[in-house]
Amino acid sequence: GDSVTQTEGQVALSEEDFLTIHCNYSASGYPTLFWYVQYPGEGPQLLFRASRDKEKGSSRGFEATYDKGTTSFHLRKASVQESDSAVYYCALRQQQGTGSKLSFGKGAKLTVSP
Amino acid sequence: GALVYQYPRRTICKSGTSMRMECQAVGFQATSVAWYRQSPQKTFELIALSTVNSAIKYEQNFTQEKFPISHPNLSFSSMTVLNAYLEDRGLYLCGARANSGNTLYFGEGSRLIVV
Repeated sequence: GDSVTQTEGQVALSEEDFLTIHCNYSASGYPTLFWYVQYPGEGPQLLFRASRDKEKGSSRGFEATYDKGTTSFHLRKASVQESDSAVYYCALRQQQGTGSKLSFGKGAKLTVSP
Repeated sequence: GALVYQYPRRTICKSGTSMRMECQAVGFQATSVAWYRQSPQKTFELIALSTVNSAIKYEQNFTQEKFPISHPNLSFSSMTVLNAYLEDRGLYLCGARANSGNTLYFGEGSRLIVV
């Protein structure tokens, strides 16, 4: 079935470092792709989404571009801050009749040191 | 904006007892509700998808007998974990989507601790 594969595990950076978290998808057609962020003790929050080839999503300095050619939606930020420390999930929406199934990657835990 | 509230945030229950959790959508009509369980080893497991006026669709390994769900209107859903055991521990997340939307908005989750 449709799925996403992303950078997993721990990502350790210092403030002002450049961030890339990779996300590749496997799906037919044009699935909608999402980046969610989850802070400790909270549910996942939507960062942004994209539905079309070359569409760029962005929020809070984070951005990702939908690339159908490479089936990717990599998350990037030019200069991370300590407050960006959280777990980041790439997700893909599969249409299931009148419902919608969201499939998540395994998450990348970003820790930013001052 | 779209908000989703979940209650309770945290429950400690004895093994073999049950826990009911609620999900309230505010600011939009939740035509679809997805219930997930998040555990340390298994990231997000989809339990079931509920769409108003349609049958609830459970994923493999999850059943209505164990996780009965109610979705009576466009702002509310509830799910019960019956006869909870250690393997049912985790953060239960409700994600709600509006009919015209493409995004699941999540609540903060209901954490189940089984002792």
